[in-house]
Amino acid sequence: KNEVEQSPQNLTAQEGEFITINCSYSVGISALHWLQQHPGGGIVSLFMLSSGKKKHGRLIATINIQEKHSSLHITASHPRDSAVYICAVRGVNTDKLIFGTGTRLQVFP
Amino acid sequence: SQTIHQWPATLVQPVGSPLSLECTVEGTSNPNLYWYRQAAGRGLQLLFYSVGIGQISSEVPQNLSASRPQDRQFILSSKKLLLSDSGFYLCAWSVLGDFYNEQFFGPGTRLTVL
Repeated sequence: KNEVEQSPQNLTAQEGEFITINCSYSVGISALHWLQQHPGGGIVSLFMLSSGKKKHGRLIATINIQEKHSSLHITASHPRDSAVYICAVRGVNTDKLIFGTGTRLQVFP
Repeated sequence: SQTIHQWPATLVQPVGSPLSLECTVEGTSNPNLYWYRQAAGRGLQLLFYSVGIGQISSEVPQNLSASRPQDRQFILSSKKLLLSDSGFYLCAWSVLGDFYNEQFFGPGTRLTVL
């Protein structure tokens, strides 16, 4: 079993829909990252959080440390949101990340 | 501002040939540097980690090696490529000594070994 599990693996949506991607982890962490990987492969860091909730534009990330679970929400989804969304956790007293396998999102107009 | 460069962007190499991928970071000093591989259908896997010139930690046994000849240069190498070395290779950096900073990724190199 992977230390970081994401669900769903694949997700399709119509433009405007509210989207949720989930991440569960089984190790102690100091931080959790949400990353976005575009079709060309480039990766952009969306959020780094260790508690509570963060919001950037239409993106919201939440984390529940007790339940070892995080969610990434996209409101009013748009075709340009189509990408692979990756959850990664940083262990305690380490700079290294453990990655989930990603959620492939396709948003259709 | 900081930027990270990787080259080449794509590479097709025969089995048994050597490999050299380069990563350079601009706009920061003494970064932590990382090499990751993303195999088809799998998550990113940390291959090497460096906290300074000449200091390399290998995370998984494999056919690859890494070197850091300069503070902001990180090189991934192989003497003889295997088919299983195919994948997408990403370099990343973070601020040295701070466990809670995010990592910033390069554009990646897509390697196909035939």
